[in-house]
Amino acid sequence: AQSVTQLGSHVSVSEGALVLLRCNYSSSVPPYLFWYVQYPNQGLQLLLKYTSAATLVKGINGFEAEFKKSETSFHLTKPSAHMSDAAEYFCAVSVGTSGTYKYIFGTGTRLKVLA
Amino acid sequence: NAGVTQTPKFQVLKTGQSMTLQCAQDMNHNSMYWYRQDPGMGLRLIYYSASEGTTDKGEVPNGYNVSRLNKREFSLRLESAAPSQTSVYFCASSDREYGYTFGSGTRLTVV
Repeated sequence: AQSVTQLGSHVSVSEGALVLLRCNYSSSVPPYLFWYVQYPNQGLQLLLKYTSAATLVKGINGFEAEFKKSETSFHLTKPSAHMSDAAEYFCAVSVGTSGTYKYIFGTGTRLKVLA
Repeated sequence: NAGVTQTPKFQVLKTGQSMTLQCAQDMNHNSMYWYRQDPGMGLRLIYYSASEGTTDKGEVPNGYNVSRLNKREFSLRLESAAPSQTSVYFCASSDREYGYTFGSGTRLTVV
């Protein structure tokens, strides 16, 4: 069955440092993969998505992720953290066939940015 | 603005009370979903509807019922609320494998 695993429920980085949030997936077929961000007391906002085109996907707010089939990974990165990046981040995989599909989410990683 | 609208935004229930969470989308999407979000557990699928007239159970359906009233509306009902159903509930809709749009959420507390 398809699933995603996010390593690290909490990650802290200094402002200006590299952000790396890890996501590994399990899928028997080529997956569609996503990263969402959730700011406090808000809904989920799509950061980026992989839909089998380019393996390096660029998203909003300077984030990007690279699909690595050999490692079954889709890690999220940003070269330089900003205070406004503090939020919870969710990785998700789309599963299903024949027009019936749904997202399976990871358990989330809360990013803290230190001044 | 086009999107997914959830009502209410906040609700407090007493144990045993019932209520219905409403969700409507105006994007002509076929599929709609209900998730619950709990700390440390991410979002878990309660029910989904691939098209008007169909509904299916997700990961955590116990204690909930749903109705796909028409293509636009998908409601979630708690018949007898329990403290374990305290959560934030999100509705979403989609027209493809990679096109989810989420509502802003309903924060439910059961006391």
